[in-house]
Amino acid sequence: QQQVKQSPQSLIVQKGGISIINCAYENTAFDYFPWYQQFPGKGPALLIAIRPDVSEKKEGRFTISFNKSAKQFSLHIMDSQPGDSATYFCAASMNDYKLSFGAGTTVTVRA
Amino acid sequence: EAQVTQNPRYLITVTGKKLTVTCSQNMNHEYMSWYRQDPGLGLRQIYYSMNVEVTDKGDVPEGYKVSRKEKRNFPLILESPSPNQTSLYFCASGEPGTWDNEQFFGPGTRLTVL
Repeated sequence: QQQVKQSPQSLIVQKGGISIINCAYENTAFDYFPWYQQFPGKGPALLIAIRPDVSEKKEGRFTISFNKSAKQFSLHIMDSQPGDSATYFCAASMNDYKLSFGAGTTVTVRA
Repeated sequence: EAQVTQNPRYLITVTGKKLTVTCSQNMNHEYMSWYRQDPGLGLRQIYYSMNVEVTDKGDVPEGYKVSRKEKRNFPLILESPSPNQTSLYFCASGEPGTWDNEQFFGPGTRLTVL
């Protein structure tokens, strides 16, 4: 049973467009919400993370929006570029450092 | 270069033949973990270790063993592999207590059990 539900499974966006990936969780004990980016043939790498004391975090073209009451968080990729084509995983963790990952979203950016 | 290494990167084996996938990190991290990645299921944790000689089950530990005798190494052992263990495996390491709790992943081991 997946503790973090992620959607969509895949998306295609034009260069310069906005990619949005959504995640939902049930366990209110989660206190850390990272996003990992994975390129084909590589291991995942931390992209950006947020804790529940803030509702938004931005790093360059990547923004996490967090809605504690709805138990949802999302990743926005602004001005999407072909180099952003990858699989993105949301995850959640309590303080024991055990990550629960979503199923992943494959993003394809068309030039 | 700071990294997590895994060996082998690719492995084809037969049902029941014991195998070990090695994992080593050079970042002096306390925490290490094994995940398997399957289509539509994302990454699922198999085992993790918060420190030397301390290991604990993740979400899908059945059929796997681990050991943490040294800080840098965390091998994954499949005593009697079965076809349902065909998957892409990742080792990761990190340092608890940091704000971003970042886990550093190895390049992956693709295992096929016939």
